[in-house]
Amino acid sequence: KQEVTQIPAALSVPEGENLVLNCSFTDSAIYNLQWFRQDPGKGLTSLLLIQSSQREQTSGRLNASLDKSSGRSTLYIAASQPGDSATYLCAVFFDGQNFVFGPGTRLSVLP
Amino acid sequence: GAVVSQHPSWVICKSGTSVKIECRSLDFQATTMFWYRQFPKQSLMLMATSNEGSKATYEQGVEKDKFLINHASLTLSTLTVTSAHPEDSSFYICSARSPGGYEQYFGPGTRLTVT
Repeated sequence: KQEVTQIPAALSVPEGENLVLNCSFTDSAIYNLQWFRQDPGKGLTSLLLIQSSQREQTSGRLNASLDKSSGRSTLYIAASQPGDSATYLCAVFFDGQNFVFGPGTRLSVLP
Repeated sequence: GAVVSQHPSWVICKSGTSVKIECRSLDFQATTMFWYRQFPKQSLMLMATSNEGSKATYEQGVEKDKFLINHASLTLSTLTVTSAHPEDSSFYICSARSPGGYEQYFGPGTRLTVT
């Protein structure tokens, strides 16, 4: 069964800290992996998309890495800000056309 | 580019009635659209995959007679929740995939409350 897990489930940090969110998936046969942000009661905002042939993607203070062989991805957020508070979802597009979301990490950045 | 819209953004209906949610790809043609459901504090769960011009494929445990999906054109898919009950109250999100692409573009979601 293709599954996606995320650790930690929740994280609270003071403003300015660098932090890492983790995503693991059970099947290394993937097309791509996406990181999303979801604010309470809102839809999804795509942050970064990593193709299976890539090892990392960067956008501003965000950096996502992908290690397909070990089934892991990390989202690194530099110099966190209160506006970064949200739920971060990892989603994997597996071969076989199945797109699976992880349970998410709820991030709180305290001013 | 790659914008997906949903309508309505929120809806309240009485138990036993039916509700239709629209998902549109605004600037590209989507041969495949997906419908997800998200309960409070939970992640998104795929309900069904909708292919233009053919019947939708439902995930295990999703009642196809209750959640009717119609993908009549390359830019529009609809989800109709029939005989809605309070336990159907949820956040419904659609996504669309462009032909030949593997990235999904998500709509803003529709919050359904059944009273």
